[in-house]
Amino acid sequence: GAGVSQSPSNKVTEKGKDVELRCDPISGHTALYWYRQSLGQGLEFLIYFQGNSAPDKSGLPSDRFSAERTGGSVSTLTIQRTQQEDSAVYLCASSPSQGGNGYTFGSGTRLTVV
Amino acid sequence: AQSVTQLGSHVSVSEGALVLLRCNYSSSVPPYLFWYVQYPNQGLQLLLKYTTGATLVKGINGFEAEFKKSETSFHLTKPSAHMSDAAEYFCAGSESGSARQLTFGSGTQLTVLP
Repeated sequence: GAGVSQSPSNKVTEKGKDVELRCDPISGHTALYWYRQSLGQGLEFLIYFQGNSAPDKSGLPSDRFSAERTGGSVSTLTIQRTQQEDSAVYLCASSPSQGGNGYTFGSGTRLTVV
Repeated sequence: AQSVTQLGSHVSVSEGALVLLRCNYSSSVPPYLFWYVQYPNQGLQLLLKYTTGATLVKGINGFEAEFKKSETSFHLTKPSAHMSDAAEYFCAGSESGSARQLTFGSGTQLTVLP
């Protein structure tokens, strides 16, 4: 597609439930990123995928968070046993290579854990 | 690790006035530096990026940024503010070598007064 597509745009879940957030990057972009935006912490790096290389997971806050990227395209961020502090906007971005020319961000998924 | 500091969480200017949003970075070498803009309920949009060796970088929508190595600054300016410039602005940076993990400043909310 023309831009980075994220779904759902909004998600309300109960504490303790698992959620899956989806990102469809720009076709041909080899790099894909997940960031989290929250009031208290600002914008935080979560994970980076580049082609077929092992992902850089250094930003994942706990082992409840995981992400995969299938076929070098669509990515899914999974949060298990959600907690209230997971409430945030989860932003996905993609770039043609390693991001030196900047990323294209999606509109994000607003996650609310109640 | 790279850190990025934005001075002023809120800036108000009158329509037609100069816009100046401040950003300082910590890296000892020319890093990757970017300015992004975020409109309500949207993702981040790239305004401009630093190019190695440049002192003045031009971006979209009439914005520019001046790179000053001696001051480790990358301030964003626009000569004449427009109502449509009201948004949140983020400075972001990464250590030299890769832009795969950006550190974002805390953001500056720009208000344009009629």
